[in-house]
Amino acid sequence: AQRVTQPEKLLSVFKGAPVELKCNYSYSGSPELFWYVQYSRQRLQLLLRHISRESIKGFTADLNKGETSFHLKKPFAQEEDSAMYYCALRGGSYIPTFGRGTSLIVHP
Amino acid sequence: GAGVSQSPRYKVAKRGQDVALRCDPISGHVSLFWYQQALGQGPEFLTYFQNEAQLDKSGLPSDRFFAERPEGSVSTLKIQRTQQEDSAVYLCASSHLGVEWNTIYFGEGSWLTVV
Repeated sequence: AQRVTQPEKLLSVFKGAPVELKCNYSYSGSPELFWYVQYSRQRLQLLLRHISRESIKGFTADLNKGETSFHLKKPFAQEEDSAMYYCALRGGSYIPTFGRGTSLIVHP
Repeated sequence: GAGVSQSPRYKVAKRGQDVALRCDPISGHVSLFWYQQALGQGPEFLTYFQNEAQLDKSGLPSDRFFAERPEGSVSTLKIQRTQQEDSAVYLCASSHLGVEWNTIYFGEGSWLTVV
């Protein structure tokens, strides 16, 4: 079975502060990990995936197999980063499993 | 169209009524997924199609839920005898198979309220 845990429902920071959105997973094999974002009144969209090792909109995420984590980080939050963030895992099947999401609010 | 399209966007159904939710995936996308998202929760998997074949329906919560994709493009999710606990956003998503298959594109969702 595969499971994704996002322990924080809400994360509130001020503009310019560092951000870390936590994601832990449970899967016995080698997973693919993703972060999806949903801005207000928009559809869910892919932010980044671990295999690409890319930085998107200043966000990065490193897969830590020892800690089974895939935390999303950004050194300096911007107001436009306010959104719902979902961590997702794909294991042996085509089907991603999503966490419950973390609402990020960046105050001016 | 440029993205995954879902209709209706909003549906209010009386308890016991049948509903049908439509999904138009991105043209050429082989894979199609349905998810259910209750308020305050993440998307929960319902069913998966590869072309017209329904390869996984393990997430359908009861036999009142039925999905089809008869020609391998448009898909319909049908809920019979709706109950209040069916109130949720129903998300459709599609993707290629192949190199970019791990990028899944979502529709805006169909918001179902059962009263």
